[in-house]
Amino acid sequence: QKEVEQDPGPLSVPEGAIVSLNCTYSNSAFQYFMWYRQYSRKGPELLMYTYSSGNKEDGRFTAQVDKSSKYISLFIRDSQPSDSATYLCAMDDTGRRALTFGSGTRLQVQP
Amino acid sequence: DSGVTQTPKHLITATGQRVTLRCSPRSGDLSVYWYQQSLDQGLQFLIQYYNGEERAKGNILERFSAQQFPDLHSELNLSSLELGDSALYFCASSPRLVNTEAFFGQGTRLTVV
Repeated sequence: QKEVEQDPGPLSVPEGAIVSLNCTYSNSAFQYFMWYRQYSRKGPELLMYTYSSGNKEDGRFTAQVDKSSKYISLFIRDSQPSDSATYLCAMDDTGRRALTFGSGTRLQVQP
Repeated sequence: DSGVTQTPKHLITATGQRVTLRCSPRSGDLSVYWYQQSLDQGLQFLIQYYNGEERAKGNILERFSAQQFPDLHSELNLSSLELGDSALYFCASSPRLVNTEAFFGQGTRLTVV
């Protein structure tokens, strides 16, 4: 079993939809949670970073962490075709080690 | 543009050969991470350097090695290449030993034929 599980998709939604992307993890020591966006043939780009449990909002993006369920989510409101990319969750226990990544969810937003 | 530069962008080589991938971190960043991304394994951490010293090792094969030079650029050396080594290799850098501030380069796509 992988430490971080992520549905690979692809997830196809119409423009303007609310998108929910999720990851589950097994290591209860994880405290730092990140979401990266990766366009085709590009490097991952940091979108959101959350420490411990709770919510964090940045524009159209909201990250949620539920440590009791070992479950994290990224919500994208008013999705745009430019949001079409692979979304990777990543996490760590101390914030100082290398990240453990999920396998990524491919999102397609149809115009 | 993240400010992390990787060269070359693409590399095609034969099995058994040796290649060197180069990473120039963002100005002032002391920490460099190397990751391998393949279709079946996702992003896998290989090795981390901080200010010239190795800090952590992940799933790095013995055929692979890396170093960070005094000017902070880093090189990843891959030898005795196999078909299964074909992947995207990413370098990320951060100013300190804080991975929440890491920025990724564009990657080197290695194809072993």
